[in-house]
Amino acid sequence: GDSVTQMEGPVTLSEEAFLTINCTYTATGYPSLFWYVQYPGEGLQLLLKATKADDKGSNKGFEATYRKETTSFHLEKGSVQVSDSAVYFCALLSSGGSYIPTFGRGTSLIVHP
Amino acid sequence: GAGVSQSPSNKVTEKGKDVELRCDPISGHTALYWYRQSLGQGLEFLIYFQGNSAPDKSGLPSDRFSAERTGGSVSTLTIQRTQQEDSAVYLCASSPGTGFDEQFFGPGTRLTVL
Repeated sequence: GDSVTQMEGPVTLSEEAFLTINCTYTATGYPSLFWYVQYPGEGLQLLLKATKADDKGSNKGFEATYRKETTSFHLEKGSVQVSDSAVYFCALLSSGGSYIPTFGRGTSLIVHP
Repeated sequence: GAGVSQSPSNKVTEKGKDVELRCDPISGHTALYWYRQSLGQGLEFLIYFQGNSAPDKSGLPSDRFSAERTGGSVSTLTIQRTQQEDSAVYLCASSPGTGFDEQFFGPGTRLTVL
């Protein structure tokens, strides 16, 4: 079945540091890939997505590129802020007709001033 | 506009009691999902409703869990005879429907079973 693997957290960074959160997946066909973010006390919200190989999703300074050859969708940001502290979830939606996404376990990011 | 709302935000109950959790999706959204988020775990899919179709219940962990969706809008997740391992955050999400891949999440209900 489909699966998503994220790097374990927490990831602790100083403000303005470079961020990478790794995400790899296993799926048949050509899934759509997503990053969701969950701020403290809130539900998840979509951060960015990519629907085909080599697509780059971007939003709020975050980027992720759909790499089919390495089955990866790593999240990056050049300069993190304290307000980026949250839990980040990588997810996929299979192209096989299922409307139920598969989520990774989430990676907690803590940014210190 | 109004997002997905869930109630209550927190629920503390005693082992063996029944609980009902409510979800109000975004108006017009035909797809509705329930997930469970346990500490240190990802999102565990529970159940999926799409329009008037029969729900996909494949994620429900036991027959103590059930859900219904009335009038294609509000949904209630019921847990009977709660156990301590049911303690988690229960998240609801809605989506405009088939062919639309983004989900819109509510803030969740934190359930604590003593």
